[in-house]
Amino acid sequence: ILNVEQSPQSLHVQEGDSTNFTCSFPSSNFYALHWYRWETAKSPEALFVMTLNGDEKKKGRISATLNTKEGYSYLYIKGSQPEDSATYLCAFAGDGNYQLIWGAGTKLIIKP
Amino acid sequence: DVKVTQSSRYLVKRTGEKVFLECVQDMDHENMFWYRQDPGLGLRLIYFSYDVKMKEKGDIPEGYSVSREKKERFSLILESASTNQTSMYLCASTPGGYGYTFGSGTRLTVV
Repeated sequence: ILNVEQSPQSLHVQEGDSTNFTCSFPSSNFYALHWYRWETAKSPEALFVMTLNGDEKKKGRISATLNTKEGYSYLYIKGSQPEDSATYLCAFAGDGNYQLIWGAGTKLIIKP
Repeated sequence: DVKVTQSSRYLVKRTGEKVFLECVQDMDHENMFWYRQDPGLGLRLIYFSYDVKMKEKGDIPEGYSVSREKKERFSLILESASTNQTSMYLCASTPGGYGYTFGSGTRLTVV
């Protein structure tokens, strides 16, 4: 059974601080790793789709790295702002399969 | 702005009722998905479709069926709603190999 683990489950961060969290996924038959942000009462929004080992993607203050050999990805948020409060989901795609296997998410709460 | 639209944001139904959840996308995507999301769990795939009139079971299809008569519309049907189907239901679409576009979700409560 393929499993995607995210840690921590939840995180409280002071506004202005930087933070990061982890997504662990199977290291075999890798095709892609997705990151999404899901704000309360909104749709999950795609942040990154990563396919290459060593890849690093950036969108504003948010960046992500990928290690397919050891099966993990980190999401970093620099200088957290209240609007960063959301649940961050990662999902693994194997073997060119469009079906994603999802982690349970990391809920990020930014304290003013 | 491209989008996926789910017909209801909140829905309350009685046990045993037949429930229809509708999802429409305007991006001409081939692939559409229905998920449910429960606290502490990742999104779980109920059914998906790669083309019109095509459907494939996901990880938890029991108690559900789907219909895809037109490319843009993918419907989830709860044949006889039960309390354990109380959940958040999310529809998504993708052209394949890219990020998914999600609807805003339907929070279904079965009483």
